[in-house]
Amino acid sequence: EVQLVQSGAEVKKPGESLKISCKGSGYRFSDYWIGWVRQMPGKGLEWMGIIYPDDSETTYSPSLQGQVTISVDKSISTAYLQWSSLKASDSAMYYCARRQSGTSWFDPWGQGTLVTVSS
Amino acid sequence: QSVLTQPPSVSGAPGQRVTISCTGSRSNIGAGYDVHWYQQLPGTAPKLLIHDNINRPSGVPDRFSGSKSAASASLAITGLQAEDEADYYCQSYDSSLSGSVFGTGTKVTVL
Repeated sequence: EVQLVQSGAEVKKPGESLKISCKGSGYRFSDYWIGWVRQMPGKGLEWMGIIYPDDSETTYSPSLQGQVTISVDKSISTAYLQWSSLKASDSAMYYCARRQSGTSWFDPWGQGTLVTVSS
Repeated sequence: QSVLTQPPSVSGAPGQRVTISCTGSRSNIGAGYDVHWYQQLPGTAPKLLIHDNINRPSGVPDRFSGSKSAASASLAITGLQAEDEADYYCQSYDSSLSGSVFGTGTKVTVL
């Protein structure tokens, strides 16, 4: 079974750093893109960026460029989303999702990681 | 930022048919990029419902169908059931953003 399993919920203070993870299983991890999607409380889905594990090619949403870093360790089939200095406005649910090359749809999705940033 | 526009809500009685529109522009749907649909049940992750405008993944009931024309797309749910109460999102590729874009989302309520 193809699965993406994300790391657990996080509670952080403003200014702290954070790295959340997304581990793929049941398929050849290097051959599929991994995208990240943000969902702020009570709001819709927002595409953040995407990475290709085989060569780490990465594209960011223009609105989020420079605010987060997407990376991957293909040796352990894991993608990451990282902040160097969190803000309260980063509080949201974050999903990772798989995308096949040559297509633009995402399936499956991870279960989500809830990030809460509060002083 | 969402560049695909959906109605905030639609509702229908059990058994009825409802449709959700997704309106884009010349840099996404209007440019010929495919549209995909996701269902998000309360408290859960989104699930792929329709890909490439009209295709249902295995396991998705045939009550769900998609269509696309010009710079818009639609999702239809026929024979509405209580379990269909959820948020629905369209998604496509946008050439001006060089990435994916999601619709604003539509809440479906079963009366």
